[in-house]
Amino acid sequence: DVKVTQSSRYLVKRTGEKVFLECVQDMDHENMFWYRQDPGLGLRLIYFSYDVKMKEKGDIPEGYSVSREKKERFSLILESASTNQTSMYLCASSSGPRGGLQQYFGPGTRLTVT
Amino acid sequence: AQSVTQLGSHVSVSEGALVLLRCNYSSSVPPYLFWYVQYPNQGLQLLLKYTSAATLVKGINGFEAEFKKSETSFHLTKPSAHMSDAAEYFCAVSWGNQGGKLIFGQGTELSVKP
Repeated sequence: DVKVTQSSRYLVKRTGEKVFLECVQDMDHENMFWYRQDPGLGLRLIYFSYDVKMKEKGDIPEGYSVSREKKERFSLILESASTNQTSMYLCASSSGPRGGLQQYFGPGTRLTVT
Repeated sequence: AQSVTQLGSHVSVSEGALVLLRCNYSSSVPPYLFWYVQYPNQGLQLLLKYTSAATLVKGINGFEAEFKKSETSFHLTKPSAHMSDAAEYFCAVSWGNQGGKLIFGQGTELSVKP
């Protein structure tokens, strides 16, 4: 079974803090994705990566950055957390060229910024 | 811009009744289509997918969906609802020329009444 794990299920941070969300997959997938999920908006793509050390912006990259130093790990960074970044963050991975097809999701991290 | 629309943010059915969750996409180019389910406090799990083979796709837990190109639709159905089907359901679409990026609908929360 594919397993995608996220470092925290719940996280509370203060405005202005630097926040790291970690995601690890154990299936040697080339592609990894970060989404945020908000009620009524579905999932929106923040950043994605097709290979180690590469990244591409999704639909809502502002206020976020990412790092992929190893194939299995994809980190989402909030440089200076703000209250409008309070959300559920979901990581996903897939295999196949240029993003593959089926994505496998982690359990999510519910981030609250106060 | 390409988009996915799920009609109805909340759907309520009685146990044993037909489940019908609607999904329409906006493109003349047939995409790859997915339905995901999210149980409370969990990540997304793939229910089924259409990748240009048979238009009627069977998934897990008794769900199925039919791709109708003329209607640009991919509605999800289950003949008889079970209490355990209560969850949020997301329709997602990918086009082969966009590197595996998924565009999600807003989600439909399904409630099942005893």
